[in-house]
Amino acid sequence: GDSVTQTEGQVTVSESKSLIINCTYSATSIGYPNLFWYVRYPGEGLQLLLKVITAGQKGSSRGFEATYNKEATSFHLQKASVQESDSAVYYCALSECNMGYKLTFGTGTSLLVDP
Amino acid sequence: ETAVFQTPNYHVTQVGNEVSFNCKQTLGHDTMYWYKQDSKKLLKIMFSYNNKQLIVNETVPRRFSPQSSDKAHLNLRIKSVEPEDSAVYLCASSTWGGQDTQYFGPGTRLLVL
Repeated sequence: GDSVTQTEGQVTVSESKSLIINCTYSATSIGYPNLFWYVRYPGEGLQLLLKVITAGQKGSSRGFEATYNKEATSFHLQKASVQESDSAVYYCALSECNMGYKLTFGTGTSLLVDP
Repeated sequence: ETAVFQTPNYHVTQVGNEVSFNCKQTLGHDTMYWYKQDSKKLLKIMFSYNNKQLIVNETVPRRFSPQSSDKAHLNLRIKSVEPEDSAVYLCASSTWGGQDTQYFGPGTRLLVL
């Protein structure tokens, strides 16, 4: 079946420093899956951060970027300069049409930004 | 702005009891989902419905049963809960199509004693 791997369970970064959260995936369909980053801020519900549905394209939102790399089967999340308000849990996910468009999530990465 | 509503927020029950969780969306979507987030924070799909039709039914115990009265509502019933059912249950909705954003409710936390 489909799977999404996030290797870092917890990351601590100082404010204004750069960030990369790794995400790799394995999809069962012949075509390419849709890729997403969801985020859960403290005290809030899970919400979409960004998505990319075309291989080779880049998505961006709130200063975060992720590029759909089909060769490396990766979708890493990056930000050049983090802020304390970025502290949250980030989930990488994919969906496929032949799997009923359900989201398959990674295990999540908890980001703590030190002021 | 909340558009996917879940009740209750939190429920404590004993092993063997039956529980029901409600989910309603006001986004006009035609597809709804239930996900389970376990103690290790792993999020996994349980069911999805499109226009009241069951589309995805992952390998979950038979004591779990989704119930859809219309495309805006998708409830979850658990008959005879077990300790391992303690988790957060998240409801989501979207339009039909994999590129569309799924909108999540705040979750229902279940604790089975």
